[in-house]
Amino acid sequence: GAGVSQSPSNKVTEKGKDVELRCDPISGHTALYWYRQSLGQGLEFLIYFQGNSAPDKSGLPSDRFSAERTGGSVSTLTIQRTQQEDSAVYLCASSLSGGTAWETQYFGPGTRLLVL
Amino acid sequence: SQQGEEDPQALSIQEGENATMNCSYKTSINNLQWYRQNSGRGLVHLILIRSNEREKHSGRLRVTLDTSKKSSSLLITASRAADTASYFCESGGGADGLTFGKGTHLIIQP
Repeated sequence: GAGVSQSPSNKVTEKGKDVELRCDPISGHTALYWYRQSLGQGLEFLIYFQGNSAPDKSGLPSDRFSAERTGGSVSTLTIQRTQQEDSAVYLCASSLSGGTAWETQYFGPGTRLLVL
Repeated sequence: SQQGEEDPQALSIQEGENATMNCSYKTSINNLQWYRQNSGRGLVHLILIRSNEREKHSGRLRVTLDTSKKSSSLLITASRAADTASYFCESGGGADGLTFGKGTHLIIQP
């Protein structure tokens, strides 16, 4: 079946521009997560959506970062006024319900963002 | 994509005791990472160990890596109730459809 998809796969932008990254989770998965991974580093949690609950934004590094999840499915991560330190791979994951830690998260291929 | 397999699947210990979890992987790696996930939350990165390292410490965490056995262990010393969570390993450090296993579910009894 279809897995998690993300677009674009690669994005090069100039410092100061805004970017939007998209994530399509697995159909039927109510939990959706955004992470970023800098070169050679571990995943950094950004934001978590679970059903209709208010999202957990505790990982967002600054107010330039925001995310939405429309209709409980597709999510967009927006980075405003990009900085060079925003360059990373942005990964989206989904899981069936997110209600417990006993669930496998399925990751998309990521969006590789390069800010010049 | 790489997938770590953790064992035991579940571990329940008394507060103050040490907890040890193991992870095995299948192919050569550049690094291996351990994560924690509390119920209903996102994965939190704990520690990264590179393939040329054998042991690494971070606070109450100690990670070992044996590349000859393709295995790693995570030791949490002097456990606390707040350590109750699921712990996952992930090897490879790549971004091609990462998949985590079911993890080790650690419960710290007060």
